[in-house]
Amino acid sequence: AQTVTQSQPEMSVQEAETVTLSCTYDTSENNYYLFWYKQPPSRQMILVIRQEAYKQQNATENRFSVNFQKAAKSFSLKISDSQLGDTAMYFCAFSTPYNFNKFYFGSGTKLNVKP
Amino acid sequence: DTEVTQTPKHLVMGMTNKKSLKCEQHMGHRAMYWYKQKAKKPPELMFVYSYEKLSINESVPSRFSPECPNSSLLNLHLHALQPEDSALYLCASSQDPSGRSRGTDTQYFGPGTRLTVL
Repeated sequence: AQTVTQSQPEMSVQEAETVTLSCTYDTSENNYYLFWYKQPPSRQMILVIRQEAYKQQNATENRFSVNFQKAAKSFSLKISDSQLGDTAMYFCAFSTPYNFNKFYFGSGTKLNVKP
Repeated sequence: DTEVTQTPKHLVMGMTNKKSLKCEQHMGHRAMYWYKQKAKKPPELMFVYSYEKLSINESVPSRFSPECPNSSLLNLHLHALQPEDSALYLCASSQDPSGRSRGTDTQYFGPGTRLTVL
């Protein structure tokens, strides 16, 4: 069975600072994908970043980067130069290509960016 | 264009009403998903359609009835709902549900329908 754990229900960061959100997962699969999605109060789920398990290089998207530790089954998200618009729920998700890309979500981390 | 649209944005219905939620994508994606999301919780998968066929039903009560008339459109028919069914209903799509092609696994979400059952 696949499980995803986000151990930080809520975090705060000052504008312009850096914050790291944690995510761990458990799977026996070797081929899988990991995602971070952002859900602002407007409620639409927006893809932040995606990582393929077979790639050792950590994914980056502008101010967002991940620290993917496959052996430790860890997939943390680093947000640099935090902006007020980064305030949102952040969900970590896992999928495999064998089950219609079914997502397993973590419980979410509420990030508050303070001015 | 990675847009998934959902209508209506808000819906209020009584327990005896019949209503439908609509989801549309024009990205050529062949997998479409319905999720239910309660406040401050992650989305819970309800149904998956792959190439217009129902592929996953996560033991959803029969008062929720999905339909995929074509590859671009997904409906969720609602009948005799309960107040505990009040939630945000999200639709998503992904390019290739078969897993044969890398990079086709990402799900793109619509803005959701906020459903209130009185």
